[in-house]
Amino acid sequence: GAVVSQHPSRVICKSGTSVKIECRSLDFQATTMFWYRQFPKKSLMLMATSNEGSKATYEQGVEKDKFLINHASLTLSTLTVTSAHPEDSSFYICSARQVTSVDEQYFGPGTRLTVT
Amino acid sequence: RKEVEQDPGPFNVPEGATVAFNCTYSNSASQSFFWYRQDCRKEPKLLMSVYSSGNEDGRFTAQLNRASQYISLLIRDSKLSDSATYLCVSLYAGKSTFGDGTTLTVKP
Repeated sequence: GAVVSQHPSRVICKSGTSVKIECRSLDFQATTMFWYRQFPKKSLMLMATSNEGSKATYEQGVEKDKFLINHASLTLSTLTVTSAHPEDSSFYICSARQVTSVDEQYFGPGTRLTVT
Repeated sequence: RKEVEQDPGPFNVPEGATVAFNCTYSNSASQSFFWYRQDCRKEPKLLMSVYSSGNEDGRFTAQLNRASQYISLLIRDSKLSDSATYLCVSLYAGKSTFGDGTTLTVKP
C-alpha cells in the first residue's frame, strides 16, 4: 500500500528557532501534499496544499511567511516553522495524494512539535 | 457553524454492542465522504468511503443521505480494538474537511 513518512517524529526546540519537517511518499508519486495541524482533542485543520513545482496554497489565517512549504519533487514536501513560539506546539501531519487518485490521501505518522 | 459536525461523544459501550455515529455537512457541493479512524497520538487511517447507496465492510456500515446532508457509521459487534476516535470527512475541490471526531471506548 501507499506509505508516507515524516521526519522527525518528535522535536523539541527553543522559542525563536526554526524547525523543518519532511514528508515523503515512499512508494508512489504525489503531485499534491497537504499539511495539517492538530491540537489535543481537536480535529485536523488544513494549513496548506502543496503542489509539486508550484507555490503552496495556504488556508485563511495561516501565515505563509511563518510556515514555509516547499514541494520540490513528486515525493518530498517540507514544512518549515520559522521563529517558532510555544503556541506553535502541535501535532503536524502531512498527507499525500497519488497522481492517479482523485479522492484518497495517505497520511504520514505525524510530527509532534514542542516549543519551549 | 462548522462545515462538518459530528456527535460530540464520547461513546462508552460494552463489547458486542452496536453503536452508530452521525455526521452532518454544510457544503452541499461536497463530492465525496469518508470515515477515518484515529488512534491516540497517531495519524488518521481510512476506514471506509461513503456512498449514496450505502456500503458495508464487515462489521462496519456507512450511509450517505445527500438530501439531508447526513452521513452515518454503524459498528456492529463492537470489539475492544474498535476503541478510537472516528473522523467524518467531506471532500470538495480536492480539499478534505474533517469533523472534530467522536471518541469510542469499548469496554470488556
